[in-house]
Amino acid sequence: GQQLNQSPQSMFIQEGEDVSMNCTSSSIFNTWLWYKQDPGEGPVLLIALYKAGELTSNGRLTAQFGITRKDSFLNISASIPSDVGIYFCAGRDWGNDMRFGAGTRLTVKP
Amino acid sequence: DAGITQSPRYKITETGRQVTLMCHQTWSHSYMFWYRQDLGHGLRLIYYSAAADITDKGEVSDGYVVSRSKTENFPLTLESATRSQTSVYFCASRDKRESSYNEQFFGPGTRLTVL
Repeated sequence: GQQLNQSPQSMFIQEGEDVSMNCTSSSIFNTWLWYKQDPGEGPVLLIALYKAGELTSNGRLTAQFGITRKDSFLNISASIPSDVGIYFCAGRDWGNDMRFGAGTRLTVKP
Repeated sequence: DAGITQSPRYKITETGRQVTLMCHQTWSHSYMFWYRQDLGHGLRLIYYSAAADITDKGEVSDGYVVSRSKTENFPLTLESATRSQTSVYFCASRDKRESSYNEQFFGPGTRLTVL
């Protein structure tokens, strides 16, 4: 099946720093999504991307749908302590099957 | 409660026992999904349902059974639990119209331990 490679696996950053993480796929996706998961809770959608090349922002978060349709990145600017959590990318093809990356665990030091 | 709920939140069972995890959503979403989350694997799809009485296998469906007699409920049953099914299980739902407002919404999860 389609595999999503998400990197980095974990990040330890200082409050105020910018963060960048990305996801690559072995095949094409129609939709890219970025979720955040807080401890003990389900993932919450941050950004959804539907078009190759699309760049979308949600507050301090910016995500892009790669032009090849095989990758996506998420940037977080000026990180704050509540950004701590696990960030997942997810891709969906023309069906309903959504594949998730293994996650990037973000730690923000005050 | 509005939204998507799962029960129980925590469950400990023994190998060979049957376990049913419940999922309920109040949005009348057409699609419902079951995922399992394991370290290093992200979330993997077990089963999904496009509507009542319509279900399809996902990536890791072996050992699981689902049913969807009502739109709002999507129970997941482990017919004979195994240790490898120890995991955190998430239910999700979404409307059939595709847009950023209609992507999958996840429940809080059920942590299942099989001894």
